[in-house]
Amino acid sequence: DVVMTQSPLSLPVTLGQPASISCRSSQSPVHSDGNTYLNWFQQRPGQSPRRLIYKVSDRDSGVPDRFSGSGSGTDFTLKISRVEAEDIGVYYCMQASHWPPTFGQGTKVEIK
Amino acid sequence: EVQLLESGGGLVQPGGSLRLSCAASGFTFRTYAMNWVRQAPGKGLEWVSVISIGGSTTYSADSVKGRFTISRDDSKNTLFLQMNNLRGDDTALYYCTKGDWLDSWGQGTLVTVSS
Repeated sequence: DVVMTQSPLSLPVTLGQPASISCRSSQSPVHSDGNTYLNWFQQRPGQSPRRLIYKVSDRDSGVPDRFSGSGSGTDFTLKISRVEAEDIGVYYCMQASHWPPTFGQGTKVEIK
Repeated sequence: EVQLLESGGGLVQPGGSLRLSCAASGFTFRTYAMNWVRQAPGKGLEWVSVISIGGSTTYSADSVKGRFTISRDDSKNTLFLQMNNLRGDDTALYYCTKGDWLDSWGQGTLVTVSS
């Protein structure tokens, strides 16, 4: 299975400041169709996960543009340009290019 | 608006069975693959099972293979997960998710396996 490793696992942030989460895959998550199915999910406290980013850098509908995804090869990043209070929660990366789909351990974003 | 409403969770003894359901609305259910993903209490996300459009192809995680069966009824816009021979480590919140890339999630249904 492809192992997804996130860092850091805990990220204290200051409101209004940027934040960045790293996700590294044990093998390149490029699908045989040429696409890279690397997604990012947000799980606010007490809520279901919500997809933010798909195919590395495409934002889902309704996701604020302060969220951005980037990366290639085996290294990927989720960035929040200016953290807001509603961004608190756990963030997961997931690859769906190789079977079975696998998630990272999660990164908990909390206010410093 | 996409809605996914899971049901069927509860308390079950080890070795027992449960059948989870997910009622879908707000999209053309029969044109999407569907997945189940679970989350043990205080833990991360674990993909469980997927079913293709039409239901002819299914895959499950090794941890549930041979015990869990995913199925769908497109006439009723409903996804199912039949869970047999349940174990303590199956205790989790089970989410129904839409599409190959999990673009929408339900609120989850809690399965607790304990004697």
